[in-house]
Amino acid sequence: GENVEQHPSTLSVQEGDSAVIKCTYSDSASNYFPWYKQELGKRPQLIIDIRSNVGEKKDQRIAVTLNKTAKHFSLHITETQPEDSAVYFCAASHFGNEKLTFGTGTRLTIIP
Amino acid sequence: NAGVTQTPKFQVLKTGQSMTLQCAQDMNHNSMYWYRQDPGMGLRLIYYSASEGTTDKGEVPNGYNVSRLNKREFSLRLESAAPSQTSVYFCASRPGTASYEQYFGPGTRLTVT
Repeated sequence: GENVEQHPSTLSVQEGDSAVIKCTYSDSASNYFPWYKQELGKRPQLIIDIRSNVGEKKDQRIAVTLNKTAKHFSLHITETQPEDSAVYFCAASHFGNEKLTFGTGTRLTIIP
Repeated sequence: NAGVTQTPKFQVLKTGQSMTLQCAQDMNHNSMYWYRQDPGMGLRLIYYSASEGTTDKGEVPNGYNVSRLNKREFSLRLESAAPSQTSVYFCASRPGTASYEQYFGPGTRLTVT
C-alpha cells in the first residue's frame, strides 16, 4: 500500500518568513496530493491540493509543488502570519481509490 | 447545512465497556470514513464506506466495527474497549467521484481507563 513520509515534524518560523514542509510517497500510481490544516482542537480542513498533471499550484500565500519523478511534494507558505500556526498534514491517493494515506503531520509555529 | 456532525464530543470508558460513536452528514455525500488521530501518528483510517450498504477495512480496523445505516449516517462501534483505543476519532465524508476533498467532523475524544 501507499506510504507517505512527512518532514519536519515540528517547524518554527519568524513571522513574515517562509515555511516549507516536505512529503514523499511510495506508490507511483498516486496522482492526487492534498494538504490539510488542523488548528488546535479543531478538525482538519483542506487548504490546497494538486493533481499529477501539474507541477505547481498557488493560492495566495500558499503553494504546492510536485516532483513525480522523485515522488515528493512540498507545501510552501510565504509571508507567514500568526494564524498560520497549526498542524499540517500531507496525503496521497489515486483517482478511483477511496482512501487517502496521510503523513504524520508537521506542527508549524509562527514566532511573532 | 451542519456539514459533518459527531456525537459524543467526549467519552470516558472503562476497559471492556462498549460504545458506539455516531456520525452524520447532510451534504448528500456518497463516501464516509472513520479515522483515529494519535500524537505523532497522523490520521489513520479505521473503516470506510464508499456507498450506502458497503463498508471496507482501512489501516487499523482491529477492535472496531462499523455500520452504514443509510446515506447520511455511519457509526463506529467499540465492542470491548481497550486503553490502546484512547484517541481522538474523526468522521469524514466525500461527495464521490466528483470531488476528492474530505470534509471532517469535529471529532470525539475517547479515553479508556
